[in-house]
Order: sequence, then structure tokens, then C-alpha cells
Amino acid sequence: GAVVSQHPSRVICKSGTSVKIECRSLDFQATTMFWYRQFPKQSLMLMATSNEGSKATYEQGVEKDKFLINHASLTLSTLTVTSAHPEDSSFYICSACRDGYTEAFFGQGTRLTVV
Amino acid sequence: GNSVTQMEGPVTLSEEAFLTINCTYTATGYPSLFWYVQYPGEGLQLLLKATKADDKGSNKGFEATYRKETTSFHLEKGSVQVSDSAVYFCALSMDSNYQLIWGAGTKLIIKP
Repeated sequence: GAVVSQHPSRVICKSGTSVKIECRSLDFQATTMFWYRQFPKQSLMLMATSNEGSKATYEQGVEKDKFLINHASLTLSTLTVTSAHPEDSSFYICSACRDGYTEAFFGQGTRLTVV
Repeated sequence: GNSVTQMEGPVTLSEEAFLTINCTYTATGYPSLFWYVQYPGEGLQLLLKATKADDKGSNKGFEATYRKETTSFHLEKGSVQVSDSAVYFCALSMDSNYQLIWGAGTKLIIKP
């Protein structure tokens, strides 16, 4: 149990378009999900905390209008990169927390390339 | 602020060699410490953790001891296998809401 599925695993898009990344908890309900971004050879940086049914909490320096997060159900959170630019190219990873467990479960990550 | 520093990779070893991946941290207070592993094409998985000083986390032959005096949480394994090839991340958490601060990751390559 405790599987988190992230889709797509890779996406290439044109500059100016929007891209949606999905994070699903397949066999448990996740009241909290996290979105991270990782640049090459750097740490994972927390972008935002997503709570089901409420607005996401963004970390300092993360543009909430550019990185739209929706957590409409207990099993799905989405990250939409709006008007993507080449500097948004990165590896995005989500994680989900299961009530009563002291660890987070991670998706496989999404490699976004904006050309 | 809080941060995690781990040794740069890639680390290349032969099968059955002894492994150490260094991890040190800076934190105000008493963090929980974690090692996560990411196998090729898969998501991050919790490998082991320690929640207080002198605790030793262990799993799949890997061990790490929470050393408060040296602010370290080095990952060790006595005899690595080809299947251990992966990227290993050290991380800390200051609270119970699962927000993690990550090291940059160390790629481990084990040659037969």
C-alpha cells in the first residue's frame, strides 16, 4: 500500500503554454500533499503545501499565480505551470501524507522541459 | 536556516565494497533525520530514519546513526550490491507536518 502516482513522467511543451501535473494517492486518502522542485545537482525545494479543500500554502519566492495548485479531493492534487518559460524546466515531485503514518510517500516525479 | 549537506557523487564502488555516504546538517533545534532512495525510474522511498540523538536507523543492510555532537547522519552499508545503485537523499524535518529539507542527493553506482 501507500502508492503515489504522478503523471506525466515527462513532458515537453512550448514556451507560453500551460502544463498540468497530477499527483494521485492510489490506495489511501491524503489530506496533505507537497510539491517539490529539483534543479540539476541541487536539493529538492519545497514549493507548496496542498491541503484538501483549501488553498495551498506557498513557500517564499514561489509565484502562486504561476504555479497553480488544486487539491480537490483526498486522492488528487494538481500542479499547473501557467505560461511556462524555459526557466521553468525542472524536475517536479509530489508527496502525500497518510494519516497516522510518520512518513511521506513520493511520486515518481515529472521532468518538464519548456522549449 | 536549516540545511543538509551530503557528499557529491557519483560514488562508484565494486560489488561487496563498504559504503559510506556522508551527510551533515544545520538546524535550530532537534530535527528528525531521514535517508531516502530513488531507484532508476521510480519515486523516492524512505530508506531509514532517526528521530533523536544516538538513534540508529537501519533497513536493507543500510545503517545511519544520529550524531548530535557532529551534526551528522552518515549512511553506511557493509557490502553493497549492484541492486543498490540509486540516488540517495539525506533530509531533515523540524516538525511533524512532513515538510522536509533535502540534501542534493548522491548517485551511487555499483559495478559487478
